[in-house]
Amino acid sequence: NAGVTQTPKFQVLKTGQSMTLQCAQDMNHNSMYWYRQDPGMGLRLIYYSASEGTTDKGEVPNGYNVSRLNKREFSLRLESAAPSQTSVYFCASSEGIERRQPQHFGDGTRLSIL
Amino acid sequence: AQTVTQSQPEMSVQEAETVTLSCTYDTSENNYYLFWYKQPPSRQMILVIRQEAYKQQNATENRFSVNFQKAAKSFSLKISDSQLGDTAMYFCAFMKHFPGGTSYGKLTFGQGTILTVHP
Repeated sequence: NAGVTQTPKFQVLKTGQSMTLQCAQDMNHNSMYWYRQDPGMGLRLIYYSASEGTTDKGEVPNGYNVSRLNKREFSLRLESAAPSQTSVYFCASSEGIERRQPQHFGDGTRLSIL
Repeated sequence: AQTVTQSQPEMSVQEAETVTLSCTYDTSENNYYLFWYKQPPSRQMILVIRQEAYKQQNATENRFSVNFQKAAKSFSLKISDSQLGDTAMYFCAFMKHFPGGTSYGKLTFGQGTILTVHP
């Protein structure tokens, strides 16, 4: 019963380094999302993929890129990490056709940029 | 655009007592869904309860119930018989209804309320 799996769980980067956060879901969901969670801000949408082959910007896309590799996987890339990107990142998925279904979340990735 | 506001950054309650978390939202939509998510220290987001805006009856899930006031755009969560395991951050969330076609279920979250249950 894996659901949504995110890797890694923790990561420390230096300013300017790049890295990719991985996300995979095994629920055959059409839609996938990346959020960041900062204190007092709640969750903010970075990018989403409504279906395989499509990606769109969310509320805070600057400094990030995404790839919907296939139906299962949706990665988030930081090309040149900045301290302002220190946050907890959540991946989520949902079944797009069933509109009443909410999103299922991964356990999060804690990312620190020095 | 939708906004969700949780005006209580922190709340505390004694074990076995009842606590209510507040949530208000702003939208011009008539059909939508509202959710409460729980995020314990493990950081995983867990769906607690959901409400369809077209339903007048308030949703209930065991010890969790909501008070949905559509005209006032209010959606509070009541936790009865609080347990130590209820200690977590609680997020209220809004999802627009998409008539026809597919919906990608994009959620808008409030800032969260930290609930601490004391023994």
